[in-house]
This record gives sequence, structure tokens and C-alpha cells, in this order.
Amino acid sequence: DAMVIQNPRYQVTQFGKPVTLSCSQTLNHNVMYWYQQKSSQAPKLLFHYYDKDFNNEADTPDNFQSRRPNTSFCFLDIRSPGLGDAAMYLCATSQGTTLIGNEQFFGPGTRLTVL
Amino acid sequence: AQTVTQSQPEMSVQEAETVTLSCTYDTSESDYYLFWYKQPPSRQMILVIRQEAYKQQNATENRFSVNFQKAAKSFSLKISDSQLGDAAMYFCAYSFTGANNLFFGTGTRLTVIP
Repeated sequence: DAMVIQNPRYQVTQFGKPVTLSCSQTLNHNVMYWYQQKSSQAPKLLFHYYDKDFNNEADTPDNFQSRRPNTSFCFLDIRSPGLGDAAMYLCATSQGTTLIGNEQFFGPGTRLTVL
Repeated sequence: AQTVTQSQPEMSVQEAETVTLSCTYDTSESDYYLFWYKQPPSRQMILVIRQEAYKQQNATENRFSVNFQKAAKSFSLKISDSQLGDAAMYFCAYSFTGANNLFFGTGTRLTVIP
């Protein structure tokens, strides 16, 4: 089945220690997104890639970076995690066309704990 | 600015009964799309139903239907014959033509009582 995969599902890191979360997709979608979701809140968009074009949200801290080496993979790098960065991180994809209203397909998420 | 408002942080429904979740939005766009996403506890977010703004007919997917009131900018979700598996956080979301973003509401947590 075509899907969005996130690894690992649970990640524990130490305060200030860089961490990388990964996302892969078999949907061959043009657009990949990273969201941060804190407990019982709506997902907050951090950035997205339209093909190789990177689009950063204005309020995304510089501490968060992303890489998309190819269509299938996208990475979220947190350079110096703080306690406030503990959250669920969701990866999503979309075809990048408005024909279906930008329906997004979500991965299961990676829950990040910062000690 | 695009905003999506869900005024009910929590709702509960008896199994087999019907429940309606509310959503309002604000936009100046004429061509847009509305979505309801379901996020069960510890499970991934999935699309429940989608409505194109240019369509007057309300979308329906099995037990899920919407009441789309374009003039009032209202987009409520009705769940009929509620099942235990419907318990989840429900997010209303909006997107407009030309945007790659989804704008989410703050969510409604639905509890289904056996």
C-alpha cells in the first residue's frame, strides 16, 4: 500500500543534542510537509518542500532545518533541541495540485522527548 | 487572513447516536476546499471527508456527512450511528486554490460512550 512512513516512532534526545527525524513516502507526491503538534493542539506547519523548492514558515525557529535529497525522503533536523521542542512531529505529503484541494496524507508521527 | 474555528473542545456521544461537530472559517477566497481529519489516540491522522466550495451539494461518506453553509462560512460534520472507533480528535481544515498549506482548527475531542 502507498503510504507515508516515519522513523523512528519514538525518539529521545538530550537537551542540546542534535536529532534527525526521517520521513519517506511511496505516493510519489510532489509536496512534503513537516508539522509540529503539541498535546491536544492542532498541527503547526514548520515548512514544506514543493519538489526541491523549500518553503519555510515565517515563525519557524532557525533551530529547525530540513533536507529533501530526493522525491521519496525528507528529513527534519533539530540542531539544538530545547525542552519546548518536545512534541509529536508529523510528516505529510500531497500531490501539489489544487485539483483535489491539497488533500494531505499523514504519517504516524514521531514523538520526540527531550531530557 | 485565513482562520478556522472549532468552538467545541470536547464532545461526547452515546454509541449508535448522532453527533454534530461545528466548524466556522473566515476567508476572502472564492475557490477553496474544506476538510475534516480524524486523529485517533496514538494513531495517524486520516481524511474523513472533503468539500469543494464550488459544490452546493453536501459531501457524504458512509456515516459521515457535512452541512456546508457557504454564506455563513460554516462547515459542520455529522456522524451518524456513532461507533466506539469514532472516538478521536477531529480537526477541521481549510485550503484555497494556489495554496500548499492546510489551515487547521484547534480540534474537537470526541468521546463515544458505550
